Amino acid sequence: AQSVAQPEDQVNVAEGNPLTVKCTYSVSGNPYLFWYVQYPNRGLQFLLKYITGDNLVKGSYGFEAEFNKSQTSFHLKKPSALVSDSALYFCAVRDWNTGRRALTFGSGTRLQVQP
Amino acid sequence: GAVVSQHPSWVICKSGTSVKIECRSLDFQATTMFWYRQFPKQSLMLMATSNEGSKATYEQGVEKDKFLINHASLTLSTLTVTSAHPEDSSFYICTPNTGGLVNTEAFFGQGTRLTVV
Repeated sequence: AQSVAQPEDQVNVAEGNPLTVKCTYSVSGNPYLFWYVQYPNRGLQFLLKYITGDNLVKGSYGFEAEFNKSQTSFHLKKPSALVSDSALYFCAVRDWNTGRRALTFGSGTRLQVQP
Repeated sequence: GAVVSQHPSWVICKSGTSVKIECRSLDFQATTMFWYRQFPKQSLMLMATSNEGSKATYEQGVEKDKFLINHASLTLSTLTVTSAHPEDSSFYICTPNTGGLVNTEAFFGQGTRLTVV
């Protein structure tokens, strides 16, 4: 079965500082990994994905994520946080080998960026 | 990417009544739609998968008689919460299966906040 873990319920960071939101995954085959952001009472917005190729993936709004196969991780990063980045972030995985096309989400991490 | 419209954005209903949530794929023909539920401060959990022209498939623990799903056309899937109770209060969100490609990101509706009083 595929699963995703986000070990931190909340991450606090000062504006201008780098941020990291952690994600680890478990799949039986090749992982296809995604990051989404959710603002209050809104749907999910796609940030970036890892399919294959370079381990460092760049996405929307200056976010990037690093795929690490040996550590089964896909941490979300941004060099300089903005107050407007404050939101709920979800890591998700799709494992084609299972035939399950729906995404499996992590528990979410609330990012709070202080001015 | 696919544009998904969900209606209503929020709804308050009395306990015992039914509520219908619509999910429209505006620019994409969706043969399959995924319905998720999100409780406060929790993750999104897949409830069911609707299939155009056939019965929906439900995840374990989800009551199919309570959460009626209809996928009448390639652009519309509906979720009806029947005889709603306060514990059904949640955020419901849909996303079409975009061609089944494993490397394709999912696009979501804006979600529906259901409050049952």
